[in-house]
Order: sequence, then structure tokens, then C-alpha cells
Amino acid sequence: QKEVEQDPGPLSVPEGAIVSLNCTYSNSAFQYFMWYRQYSRKGPELLMYTYSSGNKEDGRFTAQVDKSSKYISLFIRDSQPSDSATYLCAMRGYNNNDMRFGAGTRLTVKP
Amino acid sequence: DTGVSQDPRHKITKRGQNVTFRCDPISEHNRLYWYRQTLGQGPEFLTYFQNEAQLEKSRLLSDRFSAERPKGSFSTLEIQRTEQGDSAMYLCASSSLGTSGGGDTQYFGPGTRLTVL
Repeated sequence: QKEVEQDPGPLSVPEGAIVSLNCTYSNSAFQYFMWYRQYSRKGPELLMYTYSSGNKEDGRFTAQVDKSSKYISLFIRDSQPSDSATYLCAMRGYNNNDMRFGAGTRLTVKP
Repeated sequence: DTGVSQDPRHKITKRGQNVTFRCDPISEHNRLYWYRQTLGQGPEFLTYFQNEAQLEKSRLLSDRFSAERPKGSFSTLEIQRTEQGDSAMYLCASSSLGTSGGGDTQYFGPGTRLTVL
């Protein structure tokens, strides 16, 4: 079993839809949780960064962390075709620099 | 552009050849990371530098791989005697230690795509 599990999709939604992306993990030492967006043949771009449990909102993006369930989510409201990309969850421990990534979910937002 | 830069962006080589990649981090960042990403997978951690010191290495980093960060600025990743299994995107990221300690945000470069024939 991988430390970080993420459904690779692909996920296709119409423009304006609410998108829900999720990851589960097994290592209870993870404290920092990130979401990255990666366009084809580009490096990952940081979207959201949260510490421990709770919610964080930034514009159309909301990140949720439930450490008791070892489950994290990213919600995208009013999705746009420009949101079409692969979304990677990532996490690491407090004094650990070895960041673990999910496999990424490929999202397509259709106009 | 003040982001992380990597050179070259693409490299095609024959099996058995040596290759070297360069990463220039964001100028004020003291931490630098190397990752490898294969198709359909997330990046996998290879190694990490704080300033010029290499502090962590993954089991994935075989003895054919070597990384350096002289003077704590740019970094190089060399792969000796390349194998077809080395074909991947090699990503560099940089960060600076946050004031809260323990937390830092890694910013990635565009990657170097390596193809070993």
C-alpha cells in the first residue's frame, strides 16, 4: 500500500461545476499538506498549503484536512477550462523534508 | 523571472552515457531539493540540500547518481552510466525555512525531461 493514495481519474466536468479532489494517507506523522497543480510537461505549481487539520480558503479553492480520517480534499468552485491540469496532493512530517506525493488526478473542465 | 530555473529542459542520451543537469533556485532560498517524476506518477524525493550540505538522500538515489551544491547556490545532478529506467522528468525545488520552524513551502522548477535510448 502506498503512503499516499490519490485517484488518478481522469475527471471531466462542465465549466462552472464544483470539483472535489481527494487523497488518503497512512502515515500519521504527516503534518503539512499541500496541493499542487501541474500542467502538461511543466513543473508543479503550489496552490494550497495547510498545517494540521482544518480548512483553508483561497479564492475559488478550498483545502480541507481531516487528520482523524487521514483524508484531505481540494474543492474548486466555478471551475474554468484553465483549471484543466493534473492536481497533486503532497504531505510531509514536521521535521521531515521528504515530501510524499500522490499520483495526481487529471482534471478536464469542458467549456 | 525570479522562479526556479533548470537547464537543459530536455536531454536525449544513449544508454551508458553520463548526463548532468543544473538547477538555479530562487535566490534567497537556502534549501534545494531534487525529485524524479515518471509518467502518471507524482514526484519522488531524491535528495535535499540546506545551503551547501547534502542532508538527506533517498534510497532511490543509487551510486550512479550524485548531486552537488557548491557554495550553496546552484545545484547539479549527475547520472553516470545512464540506463533506460532513468528516463523521467527531473524536478528541482527550493524553499527557505519559515519563521515558524518546521514548515517551508517548496517551489518547483520546470523540470528536465531525460530520455535514455
